[in-house]
Amino acid sequence: EPEVTQTPSHQVTQMGQEVILRCVPISNHLYFYWYRQILGQKVEFLVSFYNNEISEKSEIFDDQFSVERPDGSNFTLKIRSTKLEDSAMYFCASTDGGTGIQQRTGELFFGEGSRLTVL
Amino acid sequence: DAKTTQPPSMDCAEGRAANLPCNHSTISGNEYVYWYRQIHSQGPQYIIHGLKNNETNEMASLIITEDRKSSTLILPHATLRDTAVYYCIVRFRVVAAGNKLTFGGGTRVLVKP
Repeated sequence: EPEVTQTPSHQVTQMGQEVILRCVPISNHLYFYWYRQILGQKVEFLVSFYNNEISEKSEIFDDQFSVERPDGSNFTLKIRSTKLEDSAMYFCASTDGGTGIQQRTGELFFGEGSRLTVL
Repeated sequence: DAKTTQPPSMDCAEGRAANLPCNHSTISGNEYVYWYRQIHSQGPQYIIHGLKNNETNEMASLIITEDRKSSTLILPHATLRDTAVYYCIVRFRVVAAGNKLTFGGGTRVLVKP
């Protein structure tokens, strides 16, 4: 079964450093998402991306965050200057854009996540 | 998207059916009920969804009341691997950019031997 893959699985960084989290969505999907989950808290929406642009973003997704689909297969989340409170699990998700069974279900496929620890 | 209310936690005996309730009294006519689960900080996993009819797949059954204000997810024979947080989410199933899921607190289900 196709799956969303994320790298790295765990990254430790110093406060103020830039971090790039990478995701490879399912190949025929057109909508992409980033979510995060601080330990013990809810899964929170960060941003959605479609047709090479951000379609929606949350209040969390401030100027320190950016997303990019640089090469048609990867989908990246960049945090420009990390803060302690950015420590969390970051999940990438994707869904089909109108063809295939996924859109009939509205199902989002999630990756296994990247754990970011900011020291 | 309409808001949902779920019990924060419940226990279930292995091999027995687990019935997970969800209230969504403000659901609108075009909104679907989706269920996802998250096993120990892994990525959320789709389980099932429905509009107004009862639905069944290889993972679970979904029972939606006639007024659509509540639903129940049924895991017919719970196993230890079903221990997870279960999320009931109401959203539109439209083909549009975005189409995000909004997660609440969910129900933490512990399946006991």
